[in-house]
Amino acid sequence: NAGVTQTPKFRVLKTGQSMTLLCAQDMNHEYMYWYRQDPGMGLRLIHYSVGEGTTAKGEVPDGYNVSRLKKQNFLLGLESAAPSQTSVYFCASSYSGLAFNEQFFGPGTRLTVL
Amino acid sequence: GESVGLHLPTLSVQEGDNSIINCAYSNSASDYFIWYKQESGKGPQFIIDIRSNMDKRQGQRVTVLLNKTVKHLSLQIAATQPGDSAVYFCAENPPGKNAGGTSYGKLTFGQGTILTVHP
Repeated sequence: NAGVTQTPKFRVLKTGQSMTLLCAQDMNHEYMYWYRQDPGMGLRLIHYSVGEGTTAKGEVPDGYNVSRLKKQNFLLGLESAAPSQTSVYFCASSYSGLAFNEQFFGPGTRLTVL
Repeated sequence: GESVGLHLPTLSVQEGDNSIINCAYSNSASDYFIWYKQESGKGPQFIIDIRSNMDKRQGQRVTVLLNKTVKHLSLQIAATQPGDSAVYFCAENPPGKNAGGTSYGKLTFGQGTILTVHP
């Protein structure tokens, strides 16, 4: 199993451009999450999904949209990128949303917005 | 231990020493805590977890201690090795706000501690 994969690994955008980050998991997990990680800070939850066709806002959702059209994929979109969105983005998945279910993380996407 | 700010706390140890990484969590109602290890350029990796009804849990070379009185969590690594060098994060699972109290696994992460192990 590949686990959680993320595409792309690196990206540079200009302010105002749009892009989509793709997260895929092959563990048949119900729950998926998008986090951002900024220097000197822990991970902060952007959006999450409790199953195919569902999405919900996390701690820092502004400027992002998500979609979960297929159970194995969770897409994170930036409609109009801003320099404040320069960050490393991590996707995670878990079997369920119960607290005691481990979240498995992808390798991250490093995004720079100029 | 962890603190607010742009500079992560650091811990430097010699190979073979024991390491203790501390974390202060924020929500006294959190019922589950996790330690993650993040190596450079990689995503966080689960190390060990503990439920709030426990005060100690041991794994292979790692022990997590939970002190709910002072909202403090620690990770002890025995016989630290160069491969243990990484950033270590604690995470807490606060209770959910819906009727069932489900938090949907929405973890709150600390800012991390950099562990450097010198050969």
